[in-house]
Amino acid sequence: EVQLLESGGGLVQPGGSLRLSCAASGFTFSTYTMNWVRQAPGKGLEWVSSITGTAFSTYYADSVKGRFTVSRDNSRDTLHLHMNSLRADDTAVYYCAKGHGDDDAFDVWGQGTMVTVS
Amino acid sequence: SYELTQPPSVSVSPGQTARITCSGHALPKQYAYWYQQKPGQAPMLLIFQDTERPSGIPERFSGSSSGTTVTLTISGVRAEDEADYYCQSSDSSVTFFGGGTKLTVL
Repeated sequence: EVQLLESGGGLVQPGGSLRLSCAASGFTFSTYTMNWVRQAPGKGLEWVSSITGTAFSTYYADSVKGRFTVSRDNSRDTLHLHMNSLRADDTAVYYCAKGHGDDDAFDVWGQGTMVTVS
Repeated sequence: SYELTQPPSVSVSPGQTARITCSGHALPKQYAYWYQQKPGQAPMLLIFQDTERPSGIPERFSGSSSGTTVTLTISGVRAEDEADYYCQSSDSSVTFFGGGTKLTVL
């Protein structure tokens, strides 16, 4: 069964840093683009970042560019999101999501990890 | 900046057909995807490449595309379909979500 399990969320002060992780299982992790999507309380979905299977390319939403860094460890089937200079508006549930393959869909999602900046 | 526009809410009676639209200028040349999200749960992929259903998604969920608008159609709506629905597309390696549509089953 394909599974994604996020961890690392918590309460952090404005200006602080946090590293989220997403442990993947049930598929060949290194062959898929992986993604981070967040959802502020009571709000809609916001794409945050994507990283290709080999980590050759990374992409970021304008709202996090220069503050967040996405990385992956294909030897450990793990995705990371390094978040620096955190702001109150970064407060959200952060989901990791598996790329669909030949298109830009997100076909498997983790349960999410809550990040509160206060 | 690229935007995808959805109606905030749609209401329908059980057994009727619900249609949720999503508009964006790049949709004629980029695929759209649809997700369902129920309270307290992660989103779930419903439709990919405008019209395709992943395995396990009921046939009552269908997608269509016309010009700058894509539409998610739910036929024979059930009470369990009450949820938030989001469209998604990409442009120049940047991904965007619509604002979401809350489907209420009356």
